[in-house]
Amino acid sequence: DIQMTQSPSSLSAFVGDRVTITCRASQSINNYLNWYQQKPGKAPKLLISAASTLQSGVPSRFSGSGYGTDFTLTISSLQPEDFASYYCQQTYITPPWTFGQGTKVEMK
Amino acid sequence: QVQLVQSGAEVKKPGASVKVSCKASGYTFPIYYIHWVRQAPGQGLEWVGAIFPSSGDTYYAQTFQGRVTVTRDTSTSTVYLELSSLKSEDTAVYFCARDPFDHYDRSGYSWLDYWGQGTLVTVSS
Repeated sequence: DIQMTQSPSSLSAFVGDRVTITCRASQSINNYLNWYQQKPGKAPKLLISAASTLQSGVPSRFSGSGYGTDFTLTISSLQPEDFASYYCQQTYITPPWTFGQGTKVEMK
Repeated sequence: QVQLVQSGAEVKKPGASVKVSCKASGYTFPIYYIHWVRQAPGQGLEWVGAIFPSSGDTYYAQTFQGRVTVTRDTSTSTVYLELSSLKSEDTAVYFCARDPFDHYDRSGYSWLDYWGQGTLVTVSS
């Protein structure tokens, strides 16, 4: 199975900061990588598919990049509503549809 | 509009089984995968299994092999997750989610675009 490793596990940032979250796959997954946002007590929300395709309605301050084994999710200017947990997911070799362990973005 | 509505919270004793439902509406049910993903308290997301409703083909995480069964009822557009031999570690919120993955062209992309509200399953003696 492909393992997905996110870093950091948590981070603290100010409103307006640029935030970058990294996701690394244990083998190449081309660009079969999704990003989700989850707020406490809520279901996850799809932000980005195929490594860099922003979903409809998702603010343009979110962006995704990467190919092969290394991927990043960037929030260009952190907003109060962006404090949440973020998960990557590989869909290149399935099953299983593997998630990273998550990154919690907290307010500094 | 696309909706996935899950059944209510469950409390079970260790060793028992639980069956959670996910009723879909607002789209062509048979041609979209439905996945089950769980989240233990304070933990991350864990993929449990999936079904392609049109054919009934199922896929399970190795962790749950032998204990999990995903089924569907196409007449009611409902998918079920049954987990047996419950342990305290199975205490979690279980989510269902839709996936437009092309079952017949497995080189395509996959993502979970609509999610149910989650069902809390508590396993406690």
